[in-house]
Amino acid sequence: EPEVTQTPSHQVTQMGQEVILRCVPISNHLYFYWYRQILGQKVEFLVSFYNNEISEKSEIFDDQFSVERPDGSNFTLKIRSTKLEDSAMYFCASSASGSHGYTFGSGTRLTVV
Amino acid sequence: DAKTTQPNSMESNEEEPVHLPCNHSTISGTDYIHWYRQLPSQGPEYVIHGLTSNVNNRMASLAIAEDRKSSTLILHRATLRDAAVYYCIQAGNTPLVFGKGTRLSVIA
Repeated sequence: EPEVTQTPSHQVTQMGQEVILRCVPISNHLYFYWYRQILGQKVEFLVSFYNNEISEKSEIFDDQFSVERPDGSNFTLKIRSTKLEDSAMYFCASSASGSHGYTFGSGTRLTVV
Repeated sequence: DAKTTQPNSMESNEEEPVHLPCNHSTISGTDYIHWYRQLPSQGPEYVIHGLTSNVNNRMASLAIAEDRKSSTLILHRATLRDAAVYYCIQAGNTPLVFGKGTRLSVIA
C-alpha cells in the first residue's frame, strides 16, 4: 500500500536553530498538508499546499514557518529560529483531492533544547 | 475548532462490535463525515468517510443519520489492535480539523 514517508524520525535541535522536516507524499496525490501534535494534545493543522502554493494556513503557521515542494517528490517544512514550544510531533499528509481521505506519515519528533 | 461532539472514552470487549457515536449538528450539505484513528505513538490513520449514504470498507462501517446530524462508526469485531483514539471530523473541501476524539479501550 502506498505510504507517506517522513524523515528524519527524530530531530533534536538547539533553540534558535533552523530545521527542515522532509516528506515524500504519495506520488499521484495533489494535496499536501502539515500537522503537528504537542505531547498529550490534539493534532493541529498547520498548512495545506496545492498547485505549488499554500492554499490554507492556521494561526500557528506564522513567519517562522515555510513550506516548499523543491522537486516533484519532496515536500518540506522549514522552521526558522526554533523555540522550545516548537517541540512536537510533526505529521505530513497527502490526499488525491481535498475531500478524499488523507494518508499521514509516521511523523518527525522534533525536540528543541 | 472541531465542530463535532464525541464521548471522551469508550470501552469494548474483544471480539464484540463497537459503535462509536458522533454528533455534527452544524454539518452543511457539502461537508463529508470523516473518521480517522490514532494508535499510540503513530500518526492518524484514515478509517472511512461518507457524505449521505452508509459506507462499508474492510476496516469499518459508517452509518449516517438521515438528517446527517449524527453518525456512528461501527467496528464489527474489536481486537486489541483497535485500541486507539477515534476522530470524527466534518469537512468540505477544507483541511481536516481534529478534535479530542474518543479514546477506545479494548479489553481482552
